[in-house]
Amino acid sequence: KAGVTQTPRYLIKTRGQQVTLSCSPISGHRSVSWYQQTPGQGLQFLFEYFSETQRNKGNFPGRFSGRQFSNSRSEMNVSTLELGDSALYLCASSPGREGPTDTQYFGPGTRLTVL
Amino acid sequence: AQKVTQAQTEISVVEKEDVTLDCVYETRDTTYYLFWYKQPPSGELVFLIRRNSFDEQNEISGRYSWNFQKSTSSFNFTITASQVVDSAVYFCALSYNNAGNMLTFGGGTRLMVKP
Repeated sequence: KAGVTQTPRYLIKTRGQQVTLSCSPISGHRSVSWYQQTPGQGLQFLFEYFSETQRNKGNFPGRFSGRQFSNSRSEMNVSTLELGDSALYLCASSPGREGPTDTQYFGPGTRLTVL
Repeated sequence: AQKVTQAQTEISVVEKEDVTLDCVYETRDTTYYLFWYKQPPSGELVFLIRRNSFDEQNEISGRYSWNFQKSTSSFNFTITASQVVDSAVYFCALSYNNAGNMLTFGGGTRLMVKP
C-alpha cells in the first residue's frame, strides 16, 4: 500500500504571496490532518478533515485554510505569507472514525521557505 | 488543557548502550491515547506505538520497550542496545477521546547514537 504523499516537497515563496500544498492519504483513509513544524514552536496541529468536512481546528489565524475532496485528497492554503510561516508542513492520514482516535500515518512533509 | 513534556532535548549515547526517553503528560480526560513517533533526518514521522489510557501493560517490540505509568502520568520509551540507525528525533504525543485525530506533541528528544 502506498504511503501518504505530499507535493511539492520544497517550496520557496516571498512575503505576501499565497501557497497551496497538497496531500494524498493512504488508500481507504478518510481523515487527513495537517501539522506545522518549526524549531521554535515544535509540532502544532492545524486542522483535520474527515469526509470533506473540517472536524477539528488548531489555533492558527484565518490565513491558514484547507479543504478535502471526495477522493479524500486534501489541500491547505496559506494566504499573505509571513516570514514566520516558514516551516515543515506535515500531513497525516488515518482511517477516520467517529469514535476513538485513530493512529495517524505521516507523509514526508513540504518544506516551505518564505523570503 | 493537554500538555506533553519531554524534558530531555538531546541525548547522546555510544552504540550498544541502553537509553530511555522520558515523556510526561497532562490531561483531565479519563480516556486518552499516547503515541511515540520517530523522525529521522528525512523528516517523515514514523509511527512506533499507540497506547490507550485503559491499558497499562508495558510493551516490548524487539529492542524497543515502553513503560506506561498512570500514577506518574508518564509513558517512557527505552531502546536496548542502541544502534546508529536509531539516531533521530523522537516525539511523544497525546490525544483524547473527543479530539478526533488532533495530536498534542511534546517538544521531542534528539537521540544521537555514536559508533
